[in-house]
Amino acid sequence: KQEVTQIPAALSVPEGENLVLNCSFTDSAIYNLQWFRQDPGKGLTSLLLIQSSQREQTSGRLNASLDKSSGRSTLYIAASQPGDSATYLCAGPRDSTLGRLYFGRGTQLTVWP
Amino acid sequence: GAGVSQSPRYKVAKRGQDVALRCDPISGHVSLFWYQQALGQGPEFLTYFQNEAQLDKSGLPSDRFFAERPEGSVSTLKIQRTQQEDSAVYLCASSSRAYNEQFFGPGTRLTVL
Repeated sequence: KQEVTQIPAALSVPEGENLVLNCSFTDSAIYNLQWFRQDPGKGLTSLLLIQSSQREQTSGRLNASLDKSSGRSTLYIAASQPGDSATYLCAGPRDSTLGRLYFGRGTQLTVWP
Repeated sequence: GAGVSQSPRYKVAKRGQDVALRCDPISGHVSLFWYQQALGQGPEFLTYFQNEAQLDKSGLPSDRFFAERPEGSVSTLKIQRTQQEDSAVYLCASSSRAYNEQFFGPGTRLTVL
């Protein structure tokens, strides 16, 4: 079974810091990787998709990298803001699973002013 | 609509009742996924449709859970004889095809008393 670990489980930082969130898969045969944010009581918002042929993807202050050989991904958040406070989830499908996503438990981020 | 919608947003059921949860995917999206999210956990896969065909139902926890997508658009997840352990948020996601970026609805929070 694919297990996904996210480190740290929780993070509380002052505004302006650059952050690193980590994600790892026990089975490195992941096809691609998505990062999501989830606000309390809400659904998941897609942040970034790293395609199978890519090693990284950038959107604004967010940058995500993927090392398929090790099954690890990292999400960088630059110049964090209070509005970034949310739970961040990584997820990816295995090569043979028609796209079903395997999720970590998330990193709960709090950015205080 | 512009995104994935789900209804109802909240459902309270007495133990033993049947419930039906609806998902309207993004128009034209071939792939539709259902996930279950327990409190404090990442979403867990339930089932996958490609158009009207249910290609993977390996995540359904028991034979009380049933899903359909008869015309390849709207999907319904039905839970018969609900139990307290069924209490969770049920998320629906769609993508233009398997392995593409998945977009999630706001979820249905089911509480079984």
